[in-house]
Amino acid sequence: SQTIHQWPATLVQPVGSPLSLECTVEGTSNPNLYWYRQAAGRGLQLLFYSVGIGQISSEVPQNLSASRPQDRQFILSSKKLLLSDSGFYLCAWSPRTGMETQYFGPGTRLLVL
Amino acid sequence: GDSVTQMEGPVTLSEEAFLTINCTYTATGYPSLFWYVQYPGEGLQLLLKATKADDKGSNKGFEATYRKETTSFHLEKGSVQVSDSAVYFCALSAGTASKLTFGTGTRLQVTL
Repeated sequence: SQTIHQWPATLVQPVGSPLSLECTVEGTSNPNLYWYRQAAGRGLQLLFYSVGIGQISSEVPQNLSASRPQDRQFILSSKKLLLSDSGFYLCAWSPRTGMETQYFGPGTRLLVL
Repeated sequence: GDSVTQMEGPVTLSEEAFLTINCTYTATGYPSLFWYVQYPGEGLQLLLKATKADDKGSNKGFEATYRKETTSFHLEKGSVQVSDSAVYFCALSAGTASKLTFGTGTRLQVTL
């Protein structure tokens, strides 16, 4: 069966510090991968998605970037965090073809102070 | 562009009450529709889905019917439990790479 991992689970970072959040998927190949952000009390905003290694699409302009160095690894980064980057970050995957359901990881709660 | 509108919460119900959470959508083409649930402090779990008009998705006593004529996908449950307390998100998928467009979520609180 497929599983998706995210780490760390919780992170407190000062403004201006760098960020690296990691997501890995097991039990499947060639998945589509996604990063979402959920601000406090709000819905989910799609930040990035990837359909293959090195292929990243950005949905909104922002202070973050994403990379996919391996087929089942998706990394969310920032060089300098802003207060507004605080939130709950969710990684998700979906099969490459035939199905549209996305499966979500447990999330990383980021607090920028 | 595509959009999903959900009823504002929070919704507070007594245990065993009937639940309806409204969801309407705007999309080009023929989207697939989903309900996801988020329990406190956790990620999202797929609750149910429907891929074409008149399909009914169901799971754990929850149901939703894809109504193309009213562009709706309302979530219902006949008798809620305290353990159903969570945030419920309606979503659609109509574009490339299975991208999902989410509603803002509806918080459900069930009390004894």
